[in-house]
Amino acid sequence: GAGVSQSPRYKVTKRGQDVALRCDPISGHVSLYWYRQALGQGPEFLTYFNYEAQQDKSGLPNDRFSAERPEGSISTLTIQRTEQRDSAMYRCASSLGLGQPQHFGDGTRLSIL
Amino acid sequence: EDQVTQSPEALRLQEGESSSLNCSYTVSGLRGLFWYRQDPGKGPEFLFTLYSAGEEKEKERLKATLTKKESFLHITAPKPEDSATYLCAVQAGTGNQFYFGTGTSLTVIP
Repeated sequence: GAGVSQSPRYKVTKRGQDVALRCDPISGHVSLYWYRQALGQGPEFLTYFNYEAQQDKSGLPNDRFSAERPEGSISTLTIQRTEQRDSAMYRCASSLGLGQPQHFGDGTRLSIL
Repeated sequence: EDQVTQSPEALRLQEGESSSLNCSYTVSGLRGLFWYRQDPGKGPEFLFTLYSAGEEKEKERLKATLTKKESFLHITAPKPEDSATYLCAVQAGTGNQFYFGTGTSLTVIP
């Protein structure tokens, strides 16, 4: 399809494992955003990229969280040494440019046992 | 601290009963206000962008308006398929973050 694609849709892993969440943005969208959304809440900003440059990572909770977008297209959000509190819906969005409407994927539901 | 507050948290309407959802914000240097619709299990779906006070946008039964302190999403003669959570987000200052409200859960009863 032509929308933002996230994989996997669901990820269950044991505490202490590393996980990598993938986002494939809409073709031609240069800006890419990562959010975390708790049930009944709006998305909470984590980080964003303009092309391959990570321009703001102020929303990443701690240094176990990192993100990359090496070729300015697909992005990976990595969580190292996962903890139960990391369980959440992780959403990716992309836009034509900074300040333009963001278009969201259907997210990755992460569950840490 | 920048804040986005949506009210009510939940709203139940009879089919055809018009109403409004509110999004109030306290940010410095608003650059854009965005409305989204979110269905269960799905990502937010973009509806409107408003950039300046007095601006209005319409799409089918939805109309979004913006003042210097708040935005309204007016729903005229809603149908059951309008049931969803409606989120607003603001972009402000020099950053490019979107700050989201917690949403209004709308249920339209046939």
